[in-house]
Amino acid sequence: QQQVKQSPQSLIVQKGGISIINCAYENTAFDYFPWYQQFPGKGPALLIAIRPDVSEKKEGRFTISFNKSAKQFSLHIMDSQPGDSATYFCAASEDYQLIWGAGTKLIIKP
Amino acid sequence: DVKVTQSSRYLVKRTGEKVFLECVQDMDHENMFWYRQDPGLGLRLIYFSYDVKMKEKGDIPEGYSVSREKKERFSLILESASTNQTSMYLCAIAGTSGANVLTFGAGSRLTVL
Repeated sequence: QQQVKQSPQSLIVQKGGISIINCAYENTAFDYFPWYQQFPGKGPALLIAIRPDVSEKKEGRFTISFNKSAKQFSLHIMDSQPGDSATYFCAASEDYQLIWGAGTKLIIKP
Repeated sequence: DVKVTQSSRYLVKRTGEKVFLECVQDMDHENMFWYRQDPGLGLRLIYFSYDVKMKEKGDIPEGYSVSREKKERFSLILESASTNQTSMYLCAIAGTSGANVLTFGAGSRLTVL
């Protein structure tokens, strides 16, 4: 009930392509869905987040798509760049406790 | 911007040693967290603290303890380190944007031999 399942575990995308990372959850009480980005040697940093009252949120090249009925949400990175190479974590929150996905290591090939 | 500092970036310890990991914030935030990060397992919450001398167990508190004597400082203690505690340890604070919006330190990579 408390898990957040993230896929794929790793992803290689050509520069300029679209990177897509997916997450699924079971607990319908979750009310906040952030994505964090982590570069090697750094801690994770908040990238973008969404609440379940909207189906999409866009910030620059990064978009969260949210499907409440399917209990899924995904991160789309448009025009992927080598600088986007990082590990991405999805998470879900209820009552301020974050439940984390396992992470996706994204590599953008030049 | 708030800064979260983990003073020890890399540590190598022997089995049975006592290990202290320290985390310091430069603002007056109340909520502080210790996570453990392992490949394929994401981030797992060890302990969190919502005020001085207050602490709550997270998902994996066994083998760990914490100390928060001052608001800006939150320490993670491994009383007797074991090899299965080899990991990356991340400290985080919850800021003014919301209690579930976290700012992380750079991490402390601990190797227990």
